[in-house]
Amino acid sequence: KAGVTQTPRYLIKTRGQQVTLSCSPISGHRSVSWYQQTPGQGLQFLFEYFSETQRNKGNFPGRFSGRQFSNSRSEMNVSTLELGDSALYLCASSPSPGTGYEQYFGPGTRLTVT
Amino acid sequence: AQSVTQLDSQVPVFEEAPVELRCNYSSSVSVYLFWYVQYPNQGLQLLLKYLSGSTLVESINGFEAEFNKSQTSFHLRKPSVHISDTAEYFCAVSESVGSKSTFGDGTTLTVKP
Repeated sequence: KAGVTQTPRYLIKTRGQQVTLSCSPISGHRSVSWYQQTPGQGLQFLFEYFSETQRNKGNFPGRFSGRQFSNSRSEMNVSTLELGDSALYLCASSPSPGTGYEQYFGPGTRLTVT
Repeated sequence: AQSVTQLDSQVPVFEEAPVELRCNYSSSVSVYLFWYVQYPNQGLQLLLKYLSGSTLVESINGFEAEFNKSQTSFHLRKPSVHISDTAEYFCAVSESVGSKSTFGDGTTLTVKP
């Protein structure tokens, strides 16, 4: 099976712009989670989607949003980018949400905001 | 609410020495526990997990972790490390009642020759 893929792998944006990141989960996986990873804050949970519905949301401002499509692919969007949004954004998929299932991570999208 | 504390942010060791990466969790219900590893410029990969049964779980590359319910810990150990074990290690907990996983802040293991 192909692993989790994320596009693009690298992105440079300017403050105030918006960005959309894409994640394709492992075939058959219906749960997708997004994380932000920075040296100072570690790995922080953004949101989780299952069957096109957001199940959980982390403590991020409304500028961060996401969605999931019927084929389980997911996108996250960040509007009005700030310098502090520079980070590695990781997507993870699992067969079902939560309990007991390990997550399979993609390689991440490294976003740099200048 | 669940939480995870990785007690050491950096662990430097020499090659072939033993290592222990410490993880404590807090939860009011039964939990599932995971250790993930992240090599440079890559995503996280599952190293091992505890769901139920034997409290000692092992990975294919020589790591092991022991679930200690009374001490709410899930420490990761390896008796003899290699240079290739240099990476960041994350402990994660998921409560048994359908919630998201919570990750610790990570421990950077650096193996020196």
